[in-house]
Amino acid sequence: GAVVSQHPSRVICKSGTSVKIECRSLDFQATTMFWYRQFPKQSLMLMATSNEGSKATYEQGVEKDKFLINHASLTLSTLTVTSAHPEDSSFYICSAKKGITEAFFGQGTRLTVV
Amino acid sequence: AQSVAQPEDQVNVAEGNPLTVKCTYSVSGNPYLFWYVQYPNRGLQFLLKYITGDNLVKGSYGFEAEFNKSQTSFHLKKPSALVSDSALYFCAVRSPRNMLTFGGGTRLMVKP
Repeated sequence: GAVVSQHPSRVICKSGTSVKIECRSLDFQATTMFWYRQFPKQSLMLMATSNEGSKATYEQGVEKDKFLINHASLTLSTLTVTSAHPEDSSFYICSAKKGITEAFFGQGTRLTVV
Repeated sequence: AQSVAQPEDQVNVAEGNPLTVKCTYSVSGNPYLFWYVQYPNRGLQFLLKYITGDNLVKGSYGFEAEFNKSQTSFHLKKPSALVSDSALYFCAVRSPRNMLTFGGGTRLMVKP
């Protein structure tokens, strides 16, 4: 199957700082990438959908200015959590797909804001 | 709006016994259904999908799922469970916008 790499796998940042998470499709060009957030012992909640070269589509309740998504190329999407607060601590997972194929998921990033 | 329900938070099974993880769905139109597995602190791994065709879908690691349109179910099954199958399992349905809606997840515990 296709490989999606997410970096970093773990990050600890201070409250008020920003942190960037990268999602790369290693062996295919992803027309669409998705960002999910997963709270402990809960399911994945879709945050936003991004298509290469266009603005991301955010789900209701997700702050666009706080969770900046950039999909600059067909193999890279980034999620920047701006002015992070402890309540932003979570497990963030990206997925990527090409055309109508199933989505492939990154390994996730555990963000801890202290 | 589409939705997915996984009625069991946890399923316990002895190694070597068959396992079933339940999933029901609600969609308008034809359902595109998926099962994913998640190991601790890892992303999701694709197990199998149903798009069309045979109601019994075979996937990775010996798992299979049975699509039942009348019961709107897509239960995940395996004839003989392994301890290494212990993980979190998610059922999902894909929307016409190509977004996945996930069930709440079911933790499978396989005991030796």
